[in-house]
Amino acid sequence: GAGVSQSPSNKVTEKGKDVELRCDPISGHTALYWYRQSLGQGLEFLIYFQGNSAPDKSGLPSDRFSAERTGGSVSTLTIQRTQQEDSAVYLCASSQSLPGKNIQYFGAGTRLSVL
Amino acid sequence: AQSVSQHNHHVILSEAASLELGCNYSYGGTVNLFWYVQYPGQHLQLLLKYFSGDPLVKGIKGFEAEFIKSKFSFNLRKPSVQWSDTAEYFCAVTRDRGSTLGRLYFGRGTQLTVWP
Repeated sequence: GAGVSQSPSNKVTEKGKDVELRCDPISGHTALYWYRQSLGQGLEFLIYFQGNSAPDKSGLPSDRFSAERTGGSVSTLTIQRTQQEDSAVYLCASSQSLPGKNIQYFGAGTRLSVL
Repeated sequence: AQSVSQHNHHVILSEAASLELGCNYSYGGTVNLFWYVQYPGQHLQLLLKYFSGDPLVKGIKGFEAEFIKSKFSFNLRKPSVQWSDTAEYFCAVTRDRGSTLGRLYFGRGTQLTVWP
């Protein structure tokens, strides 16, 4: 596709359940990023992939959060045993190689609501 | 602590008024600077960027920003706003080196409301 695609667009889950969020980056972009946007914390970095490896996963808030990327393309962010404080919009972005001086293009996000 | 500060949380203007949104960052090394915009119901879009060279950069829709290294600032300006500029504006920074290379550090955002 032309842009970064995220699915689902909305996810409602019960506290304690696991959720998987998917990101399909722009074709040819080797770098992929996950961010979280919430009212209380603004936009926070979660993890960055270069190819299939994650040089920087220091933004993941707890060990309930994990992410993987396969084939240098699609990435999945998994949240285990969801808590109400996990409610937020999860954004994915991608860029060409050489992070820092490259523009990150964002998807529309997945709005996660934990009841 | 590393941070990006946006001074105004909510700015309300009438059409044709001039706009300046402040942004300061706290990193000492080489940085790359961005302004992103999020229109109601839409995803984050790049408004403009600064990597190097002329510190006055022009973006889309008549926006411009000036990088003042001595003040660690990257303020966004537009001489005459339109109703369609109503959106949330985010200042962001990446570093050129270090373990957090590539990570965008965002300010908290400024909600701009323009009255017709």
